[in-house]
Amino acid sequence: DSGVTQTPKHLITATGQRVTLRCSPRSGDLSVYWYQQSLDQGLQFLIQYYNGEERAKGNILERFSAQQFPDLHSELNLSSLELGDSALYFCASSVVPSPGELFFGEGSRLTVL
Amino acid sequence: SQKIEQNSEALNIQEGKTATLTCNYTNYSPAYLQWYRQDPGRGPVFLLLIRENEKEKRKERLKVTFDTTLKQSLFHITASQPADSATYLCALGRTGGGADGLTFGKGTHLIIQP
Repeated sequence: DSGVTQTPKHLITATGQRVTLRCSPRSGDLSVYWYQQSLDQGLQFLIQYYNGEERAKGNILERFSAQQFPDLHSELNLSSLELGDSALYFCASSVVPSPGELFFGEGSRLTVL
Repeated sequence: SQKIEQNSEALNIQEGKTATLTCNYTNYSPAYLQWYRQDPGRGPVFLLLIRENEKEKRKERLKVTFDTTLKQSLFHITASQPADSATYLCALGRTGGGADGLTFGKGTHLIIQP
């Protein structure tokens, strides 16, 4: 158990819809990262927050947004969903931004029909 | 563009032998490299970190080498066991780069056969 909690574990929705994925980092970790994993692309970095502030941005679509709240939990919002958004979405946390190990949650599997 | 290559084909190793996985990279100057293990449907789990000024790192049955001249890292599992079967990901990072400096390879699926 990494200590990172993600909900929901599975989500099935239709194209055009909007979903919110939630992540609670390990106790004491200030950094939260979101990754997307699909079969053909591997793990792709989306966005990072550190102590409530956006710190780094990766290949995140404009239809996606995220935020980190004062209690350090984070939410990833995916809107106008397309079939290609179907993937595993992982949240990871760390004490400091880098370098160091990332602690990953178990992921949220999103299926867009 | 930056590229990280790991053997996309599954690696089959007999139990008890040493498994060696390769991570090659191009157009990248990493400050450090990490290896993660990922089981099906689970999140990656951190195994080892090696910095650019380190040649080798060991942890129990695991050994990682890092050759910045060859732009390559080798990941060894000695006395391999069926429980070592999983996908292994390498990830490269830049100093001060945060997670945007942590780029993952697609992973190599390792199968340890009894």
